[in-house]
Amino acid sequence: EPEVTQTPSHQVTQMGQEVILRCVPISNHLYFYWYRQILGQKVEFLVSFYNNEISEKSEIFDDQFSVERPDGSNFTLKIRSTKLEDSAMYFCASRETGGYYGYTFGSGTRLTVV
Amino acid sequence: AQTVTQSQPEMSVQEAETVTLSCTYDTSESNYYLFWYKQPPSRQMILVIRQEAYKQQNATENRFSVNFQKAAKSFSLKISDSQLGDTAMYFCAFGGSQGNLIFGKGTKLSVKP
Repeated sequence: EPEVTQTPSHQVTQMGQEVILRCVPISNHLYFYWYRQILGQKVEFLVSFYNNEISEKSEIFDDQFSVERPDGSNFTLKIRSTKLEDSAMYFCASRETGGYYGYTFGSGTRLTVV
Repeated sequence: AQTVTQSQPEMSVQEAETVTLSCTYDTSESNYYLFWYKQPPSRQMILVIRQEAYKQQNATENRFSVNFQKAAKSFSLKISDSQLGDTAMYFCAFGGSQGNLIFGKGTKLSVKP
């Protein structure tokens, strides 16, 4: 079964540093998403991406965050100048066009800011 | 704005018994999808079951079934013959026209031997 792949699985970074979280969506999917889950809390939508541009973003997704699809396969989330409160699980997801069939989550990147 | 409410922070059930997890939601949309996701300690998000709002028939997947009450905006998950491996956080989620999912706060389910 096709998978959404996220790397790294766990990243530790110093406060103030920049991190890039990587995702490889399913190859024929066209819509891409990032979600965040702070430990013990619910999963929250960050941003959606379609046709090489952001289609929706939440209030969490401020200027500290950016997304990019640098080539035909990768989808990245960059967090500039990380803060302690950025420590969370970050999930990438992708789907085909139309409806929610095939909406698939990656296994997540656990980000720890120290 | 859409909201998803899970009113049971924690539940427990004996192995082999049946348990029902509750979820209510609020939306003004008429076409949408509802989901239950399982999150084990590994923190992966595993799709348990999906329901399309325009389908009146309740979705089932082996031991998992839903009771979808569209008018009441209720979407409960029933787990039959509970197994130790069902121990996890369960999240209810709403998917509307925007394409992103809105999650509830989750229910921590413990299956006891």
